[in-house]
Amino acid sequence: GAGVSQSPRYKVAKRGQDVALRCDPISGHVSLFWYQQALGQGPEFLTYFQNEAQLDKSGLPSDRFFAERPEGSVSTLKIQRTQQEDSAVYLCASSTGQDYKNIQYFGAGTRLSVL
Amino acid sequence: SQQGEEDPQALSIQEGENATMNCSYKTSINNLQWYRQNSGRGLVHLILIRSNEREKHSGRLRVTLDTSKKSSSLLITASRAADTASYFCATDSSGNTGKLIFGQGTTLQVKP
Repeated sequence: GAGVSQSPRYKVAKRGQDVALRCDPISGHVSLFWYQQALGQGPEFLTYFQNEAQLDKSGLPSDRFFAERPEGSVSTLKIQRTQQEDSAVYLCASSTGQDYKNIQYFGAGTRLSVL
Repeated sequence: SQQGEEDPQALSIQEGENATMNCSYKTSINNLQWYRQNSGRGLVHLILIRSNEREKHSGRLRVTLDTSKKSSSLLITASRAADTASYFCATDSSGNTGKLIFGQGTTLQVKP
């Protein structure tokens, strides 16, 4: 596709429910990032993949958060037993992973509301 | 946690005026980038400046970087109503992964 695609765009979950958020990066992009953006704040790093390898998961807030990219393209961010504080926009970005620039291309995000 | 702060948090100007946003950060960096976010949308890359550069231009955008003060500024000249958005600086201190640490953003409103 032409850009990074995320689905669903909106997700409403009851507290305690599990959710799965999908990211389709730009074809051929090696690097994939997940960020969490609270209302009125800047995005905060969650995790990073280089191809299928998850090289940095230092930003995941708890062990309820899990991300995977099994074939090095599509990625899924899973949140187990959702809590109200998980309500945020989850952004996915991809980049070529080459040279020093590493300009990231962002999807429109998934807005998660936990009731 | 955020890398640093942006100033001002909100800015309202008339069309045709210039807008200046400032960003401060805490650690040494490889590069600093500015992104724009329209309401309800993802972020769009505007411009990147490397740590050994002091100034960069792209169209109506001018970015400066002062590594001794750990600060950057973004100037938008001759603003347009379409420039209304939130602007974020982001620093790359990762080495080679490209992981970005974002500021809290400046919300710019340009009145027609």
